Amino acid sequence: GAGVSQSPSNKVTEKGKDVELRCDPISGHTALYWYRQSLGQGLEFLIYFQGNSAPDKSGLPSDRFSAERTGGSVSTLTIQRTQQEDSAVYLCASSLLAGQYNEQFFGPGTRLTVL
Amino acid sequence: GQQLNQSPQSMFIQEGEDVSMNCTSSSIFNTWLWYKQDPGEGPVLLIALYKAGELTSNGRLTAQFGITRKDSFLNISASIPSDVGIYFCAGVNTDKLIFGTGTRLQVFP
Repeated sequence: GAGVSQSPSNKVTEKGKDVELRCDPISGHTALYWYRQSLGQGLEFLIYFQGNSAPDKSGLPSDRFSAERTGGSVSTLTIQRTQQEDSAVYLCASSLLAGQYNEQFFGPGTRLTVL
Repeated sequence: GQQLNQSPQSMFIQEGEDVSMNCTSSSIFNTWLWYKQDPGEGPVLLIALYKAGELTSNGRLTAQFGITRKDSFLNISASIPSDVGIYFCAGVNTDKLIFGTGTRLQVFP
């Protein structure tokens, strides 16, 4: 498809386990963003990539969270030693260039449940 | 993380009614955006505002960028059932979007 895709769509894990969430941006988009949406809340910025580098990691909640992007395309958000408060929908978005917020397209999200 | 204050939290209206929601911030933004999110989907951009005082329409939707640059509102006229969803405002802060807490809209026939 032509849009942003994310996998898995749903992930249930046990507290303490590590999880990896994947984002496939729109082809050719150089900027990629990760957000977290807790139940009934707005989106909370986590990190963004321009190409393979992450100029702003300020939104990552703790050192258990990390993200990487390789080849200027696919990105992986990793959460180590998951906690129950990590349960949320994790959304990815991409845009052709960084700063083009009116051209930022979102994926459907990965719903993470930590038991 | 920082979030903008959005009100009301939820609205239950009858089809055909007009809807108004707003978003306020303690900080100034130079760009305001309004999104709609359907269940199980990511947000979709409805309207973008770039200038204080700007009033922009997109079909039945009208949004305004407050003159103080600390607020914005969204109006939906003659609501229809497919307007159901969660509406978010967002302000652009340097290199990231700061989102509002959302307004959940329910439309009854």
